[in-house]
Amino acid sequence: AQTVTQSQPEMSVQEAETVTLSCTYDTSESDYYLFWYKQPPSRQMILVIRQEAYKQQNATENRFSVNFQKAAKSFSLKISDSQLGDAAMYFCAYRSVVLGAQKLVFGQGTRLTINP
Amino acid sequence: NAGVTQTPKFQVLKTGQSMTLQCAQDMNHNSMYWYRQDPGMGLRLIYYSASEGTTDKGEVPNGYNVSRLNKREFSLRLESAAPSQTSVYFCASSGGGEGYNEQFFGPGTRLTVL
Repeated sequence: AQTVTQSQPEMSVQEAETVTLSCTYDTSESDYYLFWYKQPPSRQMILVIRQEAYKQQNATENRFSVNFQKAAKSFSLKISDSQLGDAAMYFCAYRSVVLGAQKLVFGQGTRLTINP
Repeated sequence: NAGVTQTPKFQVLKTGQSMTLQCAQDMNHNSMYWYRQDPGMGLRLIYYSASEGTTDKGEVPNGYNVSRLNKREFSLRLESAAPSQTSVYFCASSGGGEGYNEQFFGPGTRLTVL
């Protein structure tokens, strides 16, 4: 079974600075998807970014980018120019590509605080 | 287009009571999921339905039952609630089939069992 680990329960950063959230995972599969989700106080789960394992290029979405290290099974999220609206819980998640097994496996989450 | 809707938003039960959490999606998705979120543990899958007419256990199915009523609706039932089932419950849906399909989440139901 796949597992996802986020070793940083809490992180804080100054507004406009850059912060990196860590995630490691364990799987025996060679192809899969990885995701970062944001959960603000409203509880709504919002997809931030995704990475396909077969792609060597790291995904980017505006101020959000990932560092995907497949051999090390590491998938970190970098947030540049942090904004107050980035304050939230962030979850790393894994999804198999096997048909019929599209369920997500989540890490424990990292609470990100933005200091003005 | 409401996406994924869940009812109720909040519920308080006494130990031993039963209740059903309702979930509906209007995106014509094949697959639907129920997760629970506990503090410090992220979201864990309870049950899922890969397509209409099928349901499968997830990581933490004990104490729950599900019904895929039709393509739109997927309900979660607690037959005899226990304090350990105090949690926030999320329903989600995705297109299913091959390839990438984003999973969309409902707003969640906060359940407290006394």
